[in-house]
Amino acid sequence: QVQLVESGGGVVQPGRSLRLSCAASGFTFSNFGMHWVRQAPGKGLEWVAVISYDGSSKYYADSVKGRFTISRDNSKNTLYLQMNSLRAEDTAVYYCAKSGATYYFDCWGQGTLVTVSS
Amino acid sequence: EIVMTQSPATLSVSPGERATLSCRASQSVSSKLAWYQQKPGQAPRLLIYGASTRATGIPARFSGSGSGTEFTLTISSLQSEDFAVYYCQQYNNWPPVTFGPGTKVDIK
Repeated sequence: QVQLVESGGGVVQPGRSLRLSCAASGFTFSNFGMHWVRQAPGKGLEWVAVISYDGSSKYYADSVKGRFTISRDNSKNTLYLQMNSLRAEDTAVYYCAKSGATYYFDCWGQGTLVTVSS
Repeated sequence: EIVMTQSPATLSVSPGERATLSCRASQSVSSKLAWYQQKPGQAPRLLIYGASTRATGIPARFSGSGSGTEFTLTISSLQSEDFAVYYCQQYNNWPPVTFGPGTKVDIK
């Protein structure tokens, strides 16, 4: 079955960097766009970034543009999110999610918590 | 950016009753509308896409309707496992895709 497993979360100081990973299995990873979506504690869902199936196209939310970079390694079935210049407001559970036929999310990982605090 | 709103914020329903959740877009999103269910401590789960198509494995008691700017998620007879937060999401105009703030369905 389709499975997405995030890792790399933790506690980090403001201004520092962190890289999240998402290991995919159960489907042909290289055929699908992939997203990162986050959820601040007690809040709703916020889309963060998307990468096309082949990595050629990437889009970001304004709130992370210029600080976060989404990438993928189709040979390893893995999605990444490089997060630089982290801020307190980036504190959230980060989910990786698989695109459906268009930009809805038909499978989600369990999430990884990122806490930005001094 | 398309702004999504949901009403009510909280819906109190007795098991076995019908629940009707609303979602509104600030401009037309055609039928590019999805619904998700999220239980505490869990990831969201896709219920409906294309405004009215149930995702794989979703029970028939969940149905979606609407197009343009007005959408509805109906749960025909609430089961204990349906008490959760429900989010709508538009994917017609992106980036960004945008979510509504959610409707919490709790036990009356």
